[in-house]
Amino acid sequence: GAVVSQHPSWVICKSGTSVKIECRSLDFQATTMFWYRQFPKQSLMLMATSNEGSKATYEQGVEKDKFLINHASLTLSTLTVTSAHPEDSSFYICSAHSVSGSGNEQYFGPGTRLTVT
Amino acid sequence: GENVEQHPSTLSVQEGDSAVIKCTYSDSASNYFPWYKQELGKRPQLIIDIRSNVGEKKDQRIAVTLNKTAKHFSLHITETQPEDSAVYFCAATTNAGKSTFGDGTTLTVKP
Repeated sequence: GAVVSQHPSWVICKSGTSVKIECRSLDFQATTMFWYRQFPKQSLMLMATSNEGSKATYEQGVEKDKFLINHASLTLSTLTVTSAHPEDSSFYICSAHSVSGSGNEQYFGPGTRLTVT
Repeated sequence: GENVEQHPSTLSVQEGDSAVIKCTYSDSASNYFPWYKQELGKRPQLIIDIRSNVGEKKDQRIAVTLNKTAKHFSLHITETQPEDSAVYFCAATTNAGKSTFGDGTTLTVKP
C-alpha cells in the first residue's frame, strides 16, 4: 500500500525558534498533500492544502506567515513552524493524495509531535 | 465549507455488543466518506470507506451505510472486542481529497 513518512517523529524546541517538518510519499507521487494539526483529545483540523509547484492554500484562521509550506516535488512537502510558541505544541499530521489512485483516498503520515518550551 | 457532525462523543459497550456511530455532513460536493480508527499518539488508520454511489459496505465485523439524500452516514461494529477500543473519526471528502473530520467518538469496549 501507499506509504507516507514524516520526519521528525517528535521534536522539542525553545520558544522563538523555527521547526521544519518533512512529509514524504515513499512509493507514489502526490500532487496534493494536506497538513493537519491535532490537539489532545480533539479532532484533526486541516491547516493547509499543499500543491506541488504552487502556493499552499491555508484554512481560515491559519497564519500563512507562521506556518510556511513548501511542496517542492511530487514526493515531498515541508511545514515550517516559525517563531514557535508553547501554544503551537501539537501533533502535526500530513496526508498525501495519490495521483494514480482510483478515487480520492489520502494516506496519512505517522505524525510529528511538537513540544515548544 | 463542509461541516461534519459526529455522535456520540463517547460510547461504552460490553464485549460482544454492537456499536453504532453516526455522522452528518453539509456539502453535497463530498463524495467519499472514510472512517478512521486512531489509537493514542498514532496516526489515523483507515478502517472502511464508502463512496457516494453506494449505500452500504461491509467488511467482516465493520459496516458503513450512507444516505446521500439525508446527508448522513453511519459506522456499525458488531461483536465488539476490547481491541476495538479507540477513537473513531468520520470524514467527508471532496474529489480533490480534502477531508473534513468529525469531532471523534471514544469507544470503550468492556471485557
